[in-house]
Amino acid sequence: DAGVTQSPTHLIKTRGQQVTLRCSPKSGHDTVSWYQQALGQGPQFIFQYYEEEERQRGNFPDRFSGHQFPNYSSELNVNALLLGDSALYLCASSLGGSGNTIYFGEGSWLTVV
Amino acid sequence: AQSVTQLDSQVPVFEEAPVELRCNYSSSVSVYLFWYVQYPNQGLQLLLKYLSGSTLVESINGFEAEFNKSQTSFHLRKPSVHISDTAEYFCAVSDARGGGSNYKLTFGKGTLLTVNP
Repeated sequence: DAGVTQSPTHLIKTRGQQVTLRCSPKSGHDTVSWYQQALGQGPQFIFQYYEEEERQRGNFPDRFSGHQFPNYSSELNVNALLLGDSALYLCASSLGGSGNTIYFGEGSWLTVV
Repeated sequence: AQSVTQLDSQVPVFEEAPVELRCNYSSSVSVYLFWYVQYPNQGLQLLLKYLSGSTLVESINGFEAEFNKSQTSFHLRKPSVHISDTAEYFCAVSDARGGGSNYKLTFGKGTLLTVNP
């Protein structure tokens, strides 16, 4: 059973460009969350998707947007990239309901130059 | 809103020694508590969680954590560490209202545990 898979694993972008990161949740999971982990920091919650709707959002600007597809996979889009967007982007999936474990993927390393 | 403070950014210990990684949280509502581990160049793996019931929770690899509501703490302990325990450890909380364990996690900044031979 594949866990949470993310792509690409590493990428380099230039300031001002746009990036799309992709996530496939663990089989059977319907809820996908995205986190940003800057170097030396803990992950910070960006947003969460459930039934193709954004259910919660953290303190991130509108340059960060997302989407969830009918098969529960998800995309994170970041527009107008800044140097400060360089980080590890983690996707997490879970099954809706109290007490269910949240599983994380290995992340996508984004470097903005 | 919740916040998490991990009091030590780095903890070096010798193999087979005991270790405690400290975590304090702040919240105006009841919370669920978690410890995640991150090995180099990997994602996060759940180590253990407290949702309700017994305040002492254990993992399969010998770690344990105790929820102390009065101290707002959830410290992680292991009586004897191995080289393979070297990793970054993150404490996290989520809102316990309405099935909140499935909602957003608020993480601390992490504690790097280095186990030396």
